[in-house]
Amino acid sequence: QVQLVESGGGLVKPGGSLRLSCAASGFTLSDHCMSWIRQAPGKGLEWVSYISGSSSYTNYADSVKGRFTISRDNAKNSLYLQMNSLRAEDTAVYHCARGCDSTGIDYWGQGTLVTVSS
Amino acid sequence: SYELTQPLSVSVALGQTARITCGGDNIGSKNVHWYQQRPGQAPVLVIYRDTNRPSGIPERFSGSNSGNTATLTISRAQAGDEADYYCQVWDSSSVVFGGGTKLTVL
Repeated sequence: QVQLVESGGGLVKPGGSLRLSCAASGFTLSDHCMSWIRQAPGKGLEWVSYISGSSSYTNYADSVKGRFTISRDNAKNSLYLQMNSLRAEDTAVYHCARGCDSTGIDYWGQGTLVTVSS
Repeated sequence: SYELTQPLSVSVALGQTARITCGGDNIGSKNVHWYQQRPGQAPVLVIYRDTNRPSGIPERFSGSNSGNTATLTISRAQAGDEADYYCQVWDSSSVVFGGGTKLTVL
C-alpha cells in the first residue's frame, strides 16, 4: 500500500537550516507530482511547494519562495525539502503528500514537526 | 491570489445531514477536493473533482459544485465524522486550501 514517511524535523534557531526527507513506497514515485504541505499548531493547512514527476517543474508559496527548495530522487523513492533562513512562522508539522494539480492530493504522510525558536 | 472561504464551524445532530460550504469566485469552473482531518491525524481525501469518492470513503459523503459555492454533504452523521474539513482547488499553478471547518456532531 502507499506509504509516505517524513523525517528530518526538529528544533532549529531562527536563521538556521533544516532538510526534510520523505520516503515513498507502494507506488512509482516518478509517475506522480509531489507536494509539501504544512500546518502550524492549531491552524489550517498551508501548501508549501510541489514538484512534477520528472522534476522539470516546481512551484512555491510566496511565504517560502527564495528560502525553501524542493527536490526528489526517484531512484531512491525520496522527496526532499531544503529549508533555509528559517523563521518562527515556519514552525509547523510538514506533510509530504502525493499529488499537486487538479486531480487532488490522494495520500499524505503523518508529518514531521519543525520548531523554529531561539 | 485565489481565496476559498469556509465557515469556521458547523454542528449537526447525530444521524442528521451536515453541509459544509466552500466559497470562491466562480469556483464552479474548478475541480474542488475535500479532506477530512481528525485530531492528531493526517488529512484524508474524501471527495475529489467535486463529486467523486475515493475507494473506502462511505457513500454518506457527497459533493457538489456550482456557481460560487462548493458543498460537502455528510448524510446520517456519525460521531466518527467529527473532524476538521478542508476544501482545496488548483489555481494559477498553485494549491489553494480553504481555512477549514470544524464539524461537531451533537
